[in-house]
Amino acid sequence: EAGVTQSPTHLIKTRGQQATLRCSPISGHTSVYWYQQALGLGLQFLLWYDEGEERNRGNFPPRFSGRQFPNYSSELNVNALELEDSALYLCASRSTGSDTQYFGPGTRLTVL
Amino acid sequence: LAKTTQPISMDSYEGQEVNITCSHNNIATNDYITWYQQFPSQGPRFIIQGYKTKVTNEVASLFIPADRKSSTLSLPRVSLSDTAVYYCLVGALTDKLIFGTGTRLQVFP
Repeated sequence: EAGVTQSPTHLIKTRGQQATLRCSPISGHTSVYWYQQALGLGLQFLLWYDEGEERNRGNFPPRFSGRQFPNYSSELNVNALELEDSALYLCASRSTGSDTQYFGPGTRLTVL
Repeated sequence: LAKTTQPISMDSYEGQEVNITCSHNNIATNDYITWYQQFPSQGPRFIIQGYKTKVTNEVASLFIPADRKSSTLSLPRVSLSDTAVYYCLVGALTDKLIFGTGTRLQVFP
């Protein structure tokens, strides 16, 4: 069974640009979570989508947004990039009725 | 999610058994205990989950005493590839996960 996949692996942007990160959950999983992990720091919760709806949001500014598509894949968009947005962005998925989130390999975003 | 306390770091040698204890004094009745492993620049990997007593899988064992206020992750015969950060999480994991600083395990040859 394929795991959670994320693309791209690496992304380099400059300040003020927009970044789009993509996540494909494990087949059959309907919930997708996004986390940010800055270098040397812990994971910070960003967003949770389930059945196409945003269910919860972490303490991040509105320029962090996303969506979930009918096939349950998800996009994370970061507008007006700032230097401190440089981080590893992780996506996790979970199936209905399960307590376990499974993580993808992440997208390394570098803002210059 | 209940607050957890883990050692910041641990050292071990190849072939030894490693036990990492997590304290969670305010665990709720419905909370589960879950451990993740994370290598640098990778996503956390689910290791094991339990509610009470002992759970064992092909990777690790999880020991939970009767009062459930702590838990111990046991890694048998560690190898260099087990060097990673280990996170203990307590609660219903259907919502956001709150990761602490974890335990940085260093395995030496």
